[in-house]
Amino acid sequence: EAQVTQNPRYLITVTGKKLTVTCSQNMNHEYMSWYRQDPGLGLRQIYYSMNVEVTDKGDVPEGYKVSRKEKRNFPLILESPSPNQTSLYFCASSPGLTGELFFGEGSRLTVL
Amino acid sequence: GEDVEQSLFLSVREGDSSVINCTYTDSSSTYLYWYKQEPGAGLQLLTYIFSNMDMKQDQRLTVLLNKKDKHLSLRIADTQTGDSAIYFCAGEEDTGRRALTFGSGTRLQVQP
Repeated sequence: EAQVTQNPRYLITVTGKKLTVTCSQNMNHEYMSWYRQDPGLGLRQIYYSMNVEVTDKGDVPEGYKVSRKEKRNFPLILESPSPNQTSLYFCASSPGLTGELFFGEGSRLTVL
Repeated sequence: GEDVEQSLFLSVREGDSSVINCTYTDSSSTYLYWYKQEPGAGLQLLTYIFSNMDMKQDQRLTVLLNKKDKHLSLRIADTQTGDSAIYFCAGEEDTGRRALTFGSGTRLQVQP
């Protein structure tokens, strides 16, 4: 089954404790992206990757890092999480040049 | 960047038509999208319209695009309880990073 898989789905952590949210897609998509969803704000792009070893900042990259060592994986790294990073995070991938995104089920992160 | 605005909430009775509206600012968007988010799930692409089209119909869904007023709407005919979800419109910025700018979402509640 074609899918985008994120882990963990739910996480409660404390300020400053590094964490990684993994994202994997099995559709051989070149493009991958991370979004955060906050009430009243819709989805905002954090980082994106056009291909392996090619990553770039989205609209809200501060406090996040990503890597794209393999085509299928695009982890999101919070080196020192803060409470304002409490949010619902979505990974997405895309097969082509349009904005047809395939989303993971989301990772709800709470930073205390 | 692009701004996309939607009303927050719509309630309809089962069997009625639903119309969800969206306005956007960036007229250079090549495609405009409608995504659906069911509770606890990621977003799913419902339909999209190319910017040089005025209307697109896909089974119970009709998308209307008024480029002059920068207004996009999604009409769902014969709305069912299974259509209850949050609907996001999104525009694709002409920046080369294939980023979608999402509205804040319209929660559709379908009453039996």
